[in-house]
Amino acid sequence: AQKVTQAQTEISVVEKEDVTLDCVYETRDTTYYLFWYKQPPSGELVFLIRRNSFDEQNEISGRYSWNFQKSTSSFNFTITASQVVDSAVYFCALSEAGWGYGQNFVFGPGTRLSVLP
Amino acid sequence: DVKVTQSSRYLVKRTGEKVFLECVQDMDHENMFWYRQDPGLGLRLIYFSYDVKMKEKGDIPEGYSVSREKKERFSLILESASTNQTSMYLCASSLGDSASRYEQYFGPGTRLTVT
Repeated sequence: AQKVTQAQTEISVVEKEDVTLDCVYETRDTTYYLFWYKQPPSGELVFLIRRNSFDEQNEISGRYSWNFQKSTSSFNFTITASQVVDSAVYFCALSEAGWGYGQNFVFGPGTRLSVLP
Repeated sequence: DVKVTQSSRYLVKRTGEKVFLECVQDMDHENMFWYRQDPGLGLRLIYFSYDVKMKEKGDIPEGYSVSREKKERFSLILESASTNQTSMYLCASSLGDSASRYEQYFGPGTRLTVT
């Protein structure tokens, strides 16, 4: 069965520091999808990025970057020059393809990031 | 932008009441989902639907039922609310013929308290 581990339960940084959120996954499928979501204090989960297992290119979007490494089954998320508005719980998720109409999204337990002014 | 709306942000109900949570999406998504989120337990899938009138049980369907009569609307029903159903309920939708392939878009959540 697939599994997502986010070993960091809580992280605190001071504004403008860089921070990396770790995500390690387990799957037996060769085709799968990885996601990151942000849940600010308001409660709504916001989709950040989707990656399929055949695309190992790193991605950068503004201050956000993602490092996908199949060799270590990791999909880490880095925020550069963090800001107070980045304070949220961040979830990594995995889904396996080839399930037809079925669904098997698995969310990690989340990492609570606090960015202090 | 995808918009998923939920009928209430906060709801307080009494034990034994029948509770309806409504979710509407405006992007013509095939798939819709209901989760509950509890501290220390993360997100757990209750039910999902991949088409009108089609539904599949998730990880914790006991005590819940769902209805999807129209593509844009997915309702979660608590037949007889109990205090252990006090939780944050999140609705989501996603595109596509596979519920696994695409990202899910979430509503703002309904915080339900059963007293």
